Amino acid sequence: GESVGLHLPTLSVQEGDNSIINCAYSNSASDYFIWYKQESGKGPQFIIDIRSNMDKRQGQRVTVLLNKTVKHLSLQIAATQPGDSAVYFCAEARGNNRLAFGKGNQVVVIP
Amino acid sequence: GAVVSQHPSWVICKSGTSVKIECRSLDFQATTMFWYRQFPKQSLMLMATSNEGSKATYEQGVEKDKFLINHASLTLSTLTVTSAHPEDSSFYICSARDRARNNEKLFFGSGTQLSVL
Repeated sequence: GESVGLHLPTLSVQEGDNSIINCAYSNSASDYFIWYKQESGKGPQFIIDIRSNMDKRQGQRVTVLLNKTVKHLSLQIAATQPGDSAVYFCAEARGNNRLAFGKGNQVVVIP
Repeated sequence: GAVVSQHPSWVICKSGTSVKIECRSLDFQATTMFWYRQFPKQSLMLMATSNEGSKATYEQGVEKDKFLINHASLTLSTLTVTSAHPEDSSFYICSARDRARNNEKLFFGSGTQLSVL
């Protein structure tokens, strides 16, 4: 049958600017969160993770913020580069450490 | 380190045939591997958890007789899509956890694009 149009939320960002990608998670019992980057036709690539006993963690050019009160996770990318163009997924660890993925956000970097 | 190899990267088959996808951890041992499927513009949906030496655990709504999982060694899990139909066309991705590392970090394969004609 005909599928309803599916469109990922898209963030267009100028090269060199900072990007912020948001994610709302569903399970208040989740205690481990990860951001993945997925390029077209490839598997997810680990970016950064954070445990629930922290509210901020920094990596190379990336920062993850966790707000457990409102069950919100964000990924900040500093000085966005063309190679950052991809779909970004947040994931939360649930029972038995199985990962549940969020819906994904498309980032398009404009040169 | 921590490389997961998935093969084949793409496959086209006729309706009614079976397709086997392999997932190998190349430089670590994985007691647990996970199989996901992903439709275009959608997120990854967990299909099943593959445990070395035991039966796989399937997510609700996933037919275990349709998607056969075998995890016969610490470095290999296979997913067989039996009697494939066009609606099984999807991107299948495996992931594995390094049993030597005491964390939840998963390493993903590069995915297999299945197209059923």
